[in-house]
Amino acid sequence: DQQVKQNSPSLSVQEGRISILNCDYTNSMFDYFLWYKKYPAEGPTFLISISSIKDKNEDGRFTVFLNKSAKHLSLHIVPSQPGDSAVYFCAATLGNDYKLSFGAGTTVTVRA
Amino acid sequence: NAGVTQTPKFQVLKTGQSMTLQCAQDMNHNSMYWYRQDPGMGLRLIYYSASEGTTDKGEVPNGYNVSRLNKREFSLRLESAAPSQTSVYFCASSEVWGDTQYFGPGTRLTVL
Repeated sequence: DQQVKQNSPSLSVQEGRISILNCDYTNSMFDYFLWYKKYPAEGPTFLISISSIKDKNEDGRFTVFLNKSAKHLSLHIVPSQPGDSAVYFCAATLGNDYKLSFGAGTTVTVRA
Repeated sequence: NAGVTQTPKFQVLKTGQSMTLQCAQDMNHNSMYWYRQDPGMGLRLIYYSASEGTTDKGEVPNGYNVSRLNKREFSLRLESAAPSQTSVYFCASSEVWGDTQYFGPGTRLTVL
């Protein structure tokens, strides 16, 4: 049973607008969350992360928000650029386990 | 720096055939991982090697074996391939166990 869920398989957004990607998790013991970005024919690359002791982490155009009570996190990309068109995976780890549990991914398409 | 390299890029096998997927990293990382990615499932951990000389099962180890040949190389073997093992396989490495993982470009395997 998947413990990390990305319920939107795809998202289309206009260039310059905000992209909001959502991720839900079921295991309340998860304490570290990551977003990976993947282009076709390439491996995933690390984008941004957040610890469960925080509710927001920002890195340039990318911000991740964590709502522990709702077991929900989101990734905001502002402004969206054509190079942001990719598959985005949400992942979570548990204490000292460190094994990543991934969501199924959301394909983002940024329209010119 | 090539990062994480995987060979082959593509492979087609018949049911019952065996093969080994190769992975090498040139970042002097201690930990290495094998994942499979299936549609709608995200990435799932098959096996990992937290440090040279150790290997452990991940979420979906059945039907696979691994060898940490040295610090650089971590191979994944399918002894008797089955159609259920049709997938894209990613190798990853991290400086230490629990650190950010860097992924290779993947091997697309089809088992007929």
